Amino acid sequence: DAKTTQPNSMESNEEEPVHLPCNHSTISGTDYIHWYRQLPSQGPEYVIHGLTSNVNNRMASLAIAEDRKSSTLILHRATLRDAAVYYCILTGAGSYQLTFGKGTKLSVIP
Amino acid sequence: NAGVTQTPKFQVLKTGQSMTLQCAQDMNHNSMYWYRQDPGMGLRLIYYSASEGTTDKGEVPNGYNVSRLNKREFSLRLESAAPSQTSVYFCASSRRYSITNEKLFFGSGTQLSVL
Repeated sequence: DAKTTQPNSMESNEEEPVHLPCNHSTISGTDYIHWYRQLPSQGPEYVIHGLTSNVNNRMASLAIAEDRKSSTLILHRATLRDAAVYYCILTGAGSYQLTFGKGTKLSVIP
Repeated sequence: NAGVTQTPKFQVLKTGQSMTLQCAQDMNHNSMYWYRQDPGMGLRLIYYSASEGTTDKGEVPNGYNVSRLNKREFSLRLESAAPSQTSVYFCASSRRYSITNEKLFFGSGTQLSVL
């Protein structure tokens, strides 16, 4: 699976939107882009995933660049509960495991 | 729904002791996984079970055995625990073996310390 690059940490004010970037310049045409998050002392939690088009669900939005070499996870209104490590992960055809990097640690300031 | 349930939540072992970590899912998923997470690192796959009756090694299988007891349950056994196995262990499940376009659901973890 192709590699992803994320900032080590980011800060956001509570109730403001948050844009978490992910670079994946070696992505292949069949790779999906997944986002998971891990709250303190919890297991990872699925957030969203997509292939080419932007995706929305109740938790977040995923904006995928036209060339697919980068993507952005958008939390529309950060809450204290959103403080977590966010992982951007690519899965290729036939993937059977998620390869977790170090992710981005998001801090939310009250 | 409980989702993925792991027991125990915490365990302390002495070097050489054995134990089994239990995992059960109530989502009728076909595939189940065991990951470990060491401080400051991402999760690494230990073993997985693509479907009931099958198990395969992941990235770091040495020192572990697994059993897919039935569709719901997947256990991880440490036969002779070593300090290097001190870690947080996560069980996960998915509808299908190929997770290219699937979600994984994780349990809340077992924190294991081997002294």
